[in-house]
Amino acid sequence: ELKVEQNPLFLSMQEGKNYTIYCNYSTTSDRLYWYRQDPGKSLESLFVLLSNGAVKQEGRLMASLDTKARLSTLHITAAVHDLSATYFCAVDIRGAQKLVFGQGTRLTINP
Amino acid sequence: DAMVIQNPRYQVTQFGKPVTLSCSQTLNHNVMYWYQQKSSQAPKLLFHYYDKDFNNEADTPDNFQSRRPNTSFCFLDIRSPGLGDAAMYLCATSTGRGRGETQYFGPGTRLLVL
Repeated sequence: ELKVEQNPLFLSMQEGKNYTIYCNYSTTSDRLYWYRQDPGKSLESLFVLLSNGAVKQEGRLMASLDTKARLSTLHITAAVHDLSATYFCAVDIRGAQKLVFGQGTRLTINP
Repeated sequence: DAMVIQNPRYQVTQFGKPVTLSCSQTLNHNVMYWYQQKSSQAPKLLFHYYDKDFNNEADTPDNFQSRRPNTSFCFLDIRSPGLGDAAMYLCATSTGRGRGETQYFGPGTRLLVL
């Protein structure tokens, strides 16, 4: 059974600081997704990582994938308040057309 | 704009009274999903359709049923809602045609059971 674990689950940080959210998964997969969810809202797709070594960047967020280590990271650079949200990683189950989500990381960025 | 639409956005029902949630998509995607998300938890997949093929998750209660009458629409029926079924219900779609299958989520329906 594929398991996806994120850490930390809660993160409170100051504006301007850098931090990293980690996503570990238990079985072989080469497709990993990051989503953002604002309180009371739906999920918004941030990144799709499709191969070992893949790196994607959008603004202050950068995601990477190491399939050998079964690890993805979401790095936040010089955080701003608008990035406060819950971030989920999700891993594709090969051939099954479905995702397994991590628990989510609730990120709070304080002025 | 092409999108995933869910109706209603908020639904209040009584304990045991059947309720139907609706999802439509203009993306012409082959796959449609229903997730249940409770507060501070990850979305939990209930079932999905690949075209007309229905795929139920092993731990989805029998109380939850789904219908997909055509490519564009998918319904979630909760036959006898209990208090524990109060949650956000998310519909999502994907093309189902290859790698990098991002799922596109609708805005969700928040269900309250009284």
